Amino acid sequence: AQTVTQSQPEMSVQEAETVTLSCTYDTSENNYYLFWYKQPPSRQMILVIRQEAYKQQNATENRFSVNFQKAAKSFSLKISDSQLGDTAMYFCAFGGESSGSRLTFGEGTQLTVNP
Amino acid sequence: AAGVIQSPRHLIKEKRETATLKCYPIPRHDTVYWYQQGPGQDPQFLISFYEKMQSDKGSIPDRFSAQQFSDYHSELNMSSLELGDSALYFCASSFWTEQETQYFGPGTRLLVL
Repeated sequence: AQTVTQSQPEMSVQEAETVTLSCTYDTSENNYYLFWYKQPPSRQMILVIRQEAYKQQNATENRFSVNFQKAAKSFSLKISDSQLGDTAMYFCAFGGESSGSRLTFGEGTQLTVNP
Repeated sequence: AAGVIQSPRHLIKEKRETATLKCYPIPRHDTVYWYQQGPGQDPQFLISFYEKMQSDKGSIPDRFSAQQFSDYHSELNMSSLELGDSALYFCASSFWTEQETQYFGPGTRLLVL
């Protein structure tokens, strides 16, 4: 079974600064996918970014980028130029290669962006 | 762009009652997933369907059942409701060939009194 660990329950950052959220995972699979989802106070789950394990290049989506270290089983999210709207709970998630595969989530990191 | 639709958005039930949650996936998505998120917790996988067949099963209580219909919408049926079933229930959908990327609906908030 896969496990996902987010060791930072809460983080805060000043507007316009950069913040990095940590995530580690454990799996015996070789091919898999990793995701960061954002859950604002509305509690909608919003896909932020995804990474295929077979790709060495780190994924980037505008102000969001990841640092994927496959050997270390680490998958951190960097948010640049933080905005007030980035305030949310951020979940790291693991998805296996098998079809219909469930997502396994970490415990979440509550990020607060301060003005 | 069209998103996953869930209904109802809010539901209040008494203990031992029955509830039915509905999910309409993004058009052309053929795979549906159900997750349960308790207060202060991360989402927990319940069950998934592809082409009306169950594709994966997680920690879904025996009191719950689900199915996917020919138009790909899905329903989660919950019977003999307990206080502990109060949670946010998410439906997500994906393409089978891109099954790793799941897009979530807004969720149904169930409160059991």
